[in-house]
Amino acid sequence: AQSVTQLDSQVPVFEEAPVELRCNYSSSVSVYLFWYVQYPNQGLQLLLKYLSGSTLVESINGFEAEFNKSQTSFHLRKPSVHISDTAEYFCAVRTPSGAGSYQLTFGKGTKLSVIP
Amino acid sequence: DTGVSQDPRHKITKRGQNVTFRCDPISEHNRLYWYRQTLGQGPEFLTYFQNEAQLEKSRLLSDRFSAERPKGSFSTLEIQRTEQGDSAMYLCASSLAGTGFNYGYTFGSGTRLTVV
Repeated sequence: AQSVTQLDSQVPVFEEAPVELRCNYSSSVSVYLFWYVQYPNQGLQLLLKYLSGSTLVESINGFEAEFNKSQTSFHLRKPSVHISDTAEYFCAVRTPSGAGSYQLTFGKGTKLSVIP
Repeated sequence: DTGVSQDPRHKITKRGQNVTFRCDPISEHNRLYWYRQTLGQGPEFLTYFQNEAQLEKSRLLSDRFSAERPKGSFSTLEIQRTEQGDSAMYLCASSLAGTGFNYGYTFGSGTRLTVV
């Protein structure tokens, strides 16, 4: 079974400052990794994913995440945040095959608050 | 296509009453998932359908919960004899078999249940 730990429940950051949201996972098998974002009163939206290949993945709105197998981490970063990035961010894992491979296992989420 | 629709958005019910939620997935998606999200937690998997077949149920899905997807299109989630611990956001998601890994799920906006 896999699990996901998001080390920070809340991260306040000033506008235009960089931010890192941390995510560690545990799994005995290889995994696919995802970051989802949830704006207030909305569902989850896929931000970016790691399936295979390059360990650095990017989203269209400036976020990036790096898969680090040795550290079992998939931290999310943005070099300069905007007010509109204020939301809750969830890291999730999924096994590529076998039992439960359709399930996403989520972390508890990190609330990013961007301060003007 | 307007994405995954969930109805109602909010439901307040008295303890002991039965409630039913509906999810309309993206029309061409043959996989449908239910998740539950309680305050301060990430979404937790409840159950999964491929077409009309319910292929997996989480231990979280007690015998008071039942989910159906009668024609492989929309799905309903019923909770009988609601308890205060059932208060949560119930999220529905859908995907197309074979593409879920590449595109992630598409989540609906959720139904927020409050049991008083």
